[in-house]
Order: sequence, then structure tokens, then C-alpha cells
Amino acid sequence: GAVVSQHPSRVICKSGTSVKIECRSLDFQATTMFWYRQFPKQSLMLMATSNEGSKATYEQGVEKDKFLINHASLTLSTLTVTSAHPEDSSFYICSARDNHNEQFFGPGTRLTVL
Amino acid sequence: TQLLEQSPQFLSIQEGENLTVYCNSSSVFSSLQWYRQEPGEGPVLLVTVVTGGEVKKLKRLTFQFGDARKDSSLHITAAQPGDTGLYLCAGPYNQGGKLIFGQGTELSVKP
Repeated sequence: GAVVSQHPSRVICKSGTSVKIECRSLDFQATTMFWYRQFPKQSLMLMATSNEGSKATYEQGVEKDKFLINHASLTLSTLTVTSAHPEDSSFYICSARDNHNEQFFGPGTRLTVL
Repeated sequence: TQLLEQSPQFLSIQEGENLTVYCNSSSVFSSLQWYRQEPGEGPVLLVTVVTGGEVKKLKRLTFQFGDARKDSSLHITAAQPGDTGLYLCAGPYNQGGKLIFGQGTELSVKP
């Protein structure tokens, strides 16, 4: 099956700094990628839809200025958590959709903000 | 409002027991998917059900899609410790291929 990678797998940062998370589709092109957030023992919550070459679409309640999304190529989307705070600590997961409309999930990035 | 209601949310059983997880909605879905997720990893697709009344089997796992395509179930026969994990149902909503997830079922199978 198709492979989606995320980098880094885990990151620890100080409060107030910005962190960039990369999501790559390794063996297929993805015009659409999705970013999810997951708290411990909870389900995935969709944050935004990332579209190649255009602005991301954010779900209600998600601050677009805090969670910057860039989908500059057909294989890469990035999520930047700006001015991170401890409450932003979470597991961030991306998925990429292939041209058969099937979604493949990345392994996730554990963000810890001190 | 949770569009996909999953139950139970927590399940702790002994090895060899059977279990069923339910995923219910008041909305009709064109398809529903079941995922399994282990701690610190992304969800892995187990199955997609598309046709109302459809039953799919994956070794000891049996998936069913309701006739009205509003609900689905996952039945595990003779559970093993390796089945431990978070089970998630998900379905597409709106245009654009967005997936929404149920609350998840945390399954623990004790040896």
C-alpha cells in the first residue's frame, strides 16, 4: 500500500517557539492532505484540509494563524504550530489522499511543549 | 454533536472471549471504514464497507454494514492480546473526502 511519512516523529519545544511538522506521500501524489489532532485515549479530530497550490480549509474552532499549513508540492504538506503553548501538546497525524480517493495515514508526530 | 457514535468506549476482556464494537449514526454514509491504532502510531485501515447489509471477514474479525448504511459493527472472535488497541470507525462527510471518526473503542485483551 501507499506510504505516508511524517517528520519529526516526536519533538519537544519551549513555550513560545514555533514547530514545523512535515507530511510526505512517498510513492504517490496527493493533491489533498489532511491534518488531525489526537489527545490521549481520544479519537482523531480533523483540523484542516490541505490542498496543493491553494489555501488550506480549516475546521470550525481551529485557529488558522496558529496552525499554518503549506502544501507546496504534490508530495509534501507542512503544519507549523506557531507560538506553541503547553495546551498545544498533542499527537498530530496527517493523511494523504490518492487519486482513487483512498486516504493513507502517517505515523504521527508527538509534540510536547514545555 | 458526534456524528458517529461508537460503543463501548472502553473494553477489557480475557483472551479467548468474543466482543462486538458498534458504530452508529443518524446519517446515511456512502461507506464506513474501520481502523486499528496502536499507541504512538497512525491508524491502519482494516476494512471499508460500502454496500448496505455487507459483511466482510478478516481472519477473526467480522465487519457488518447496516442495511440502511447508518451503522456498522466489528465482531472479534476469540480475542488475543495482539488485538489490543484503539479501534476507530470513520466515514466520509461533505464533499472533499473529509473523514470523520467515531470516539474510538479502547480494547485491552488480557492473557
